[in-house]
Amino acid sequence: EVQLLESGGGLVQPGGTLRLSCEVSGLSFSHYSMTWVRQAPGQALECVSSISGSGHSTYYADSVKGRFTISRDNSKSALYLEMKSLRADDTAMYYCAKWSTAIDYWGQGALVTVSS
Amino acid sequence: QSALTQPRSVSGSPGQSVTISCTGTSSDVGGYYYVSWYQQHPGKVPKLTIYDVSKRPSGVPDRFSGSKSGNTASLTISGLQAEDEADYFCWSYAGGYSYVFGTGTKVTVL
Repeated sequence: EVQLLESGGGLVQPGGTLRLSCEVSGLSFSHYSMTWVRQAPGQALECVSSISGSGHSTYYADSVKGRFTISRDNSKSALYLEMKSLRADDTAMYYCAKWSTAIDYWGQGALVTVSS
Repeated sequence: QSALTQPRSVSGSPGQSVTISCTGTSSDVGGYYYVSWYQQHPGKVPKLTIYDVSKRPSGVPDRFSGSKSGNTASLTISGLQAEDEADYFCWSYAGGYSYVFGTGTKVTVL
């Protein structure tokens, strides 16, 4: 059974830093592209960032470019999202997900709240 | 990437059919056969409902179907049931390691 488990969410002040982690089990992790998707309360889903199986290729949404960094450790089957200079509009549920021609597996989500 | 355009809401009575449109551009929906749809009930994780335009994952009822024409994809729910009331989001591959979601549609069963 494929499982994705996020951790690291919480309350952070504007301008602060937070690191999300996602532990993946039940699949050959290094074979698959991974992604972070976020959803602000009552809003649509939004791609935050994606990374290739090798980790050599990445993509960032314009809204987070220069502030967020995606990475992975294939030896640990883990995905990460380092978030810096956080703003109020980064407040959302952050989902770790596996994707290829669709997003076929999702984690349960990590809530990030940016507020003073 | 700009979000794909979906109607804000659609509704239908039990047993009826509803169709949700998802309009993008030639750089996403029109350029690839990688369009998927996700059902999301309140407070729940999105669930893959249709992938590769018209394929259904195991366990998804055959009343859900998908299609695409040009830059617009569609999800049709036939024989609407109470449990189909949810938000639905389309998704399209957009090249490289990028993709884009739709704006979301709330389906209401009257």
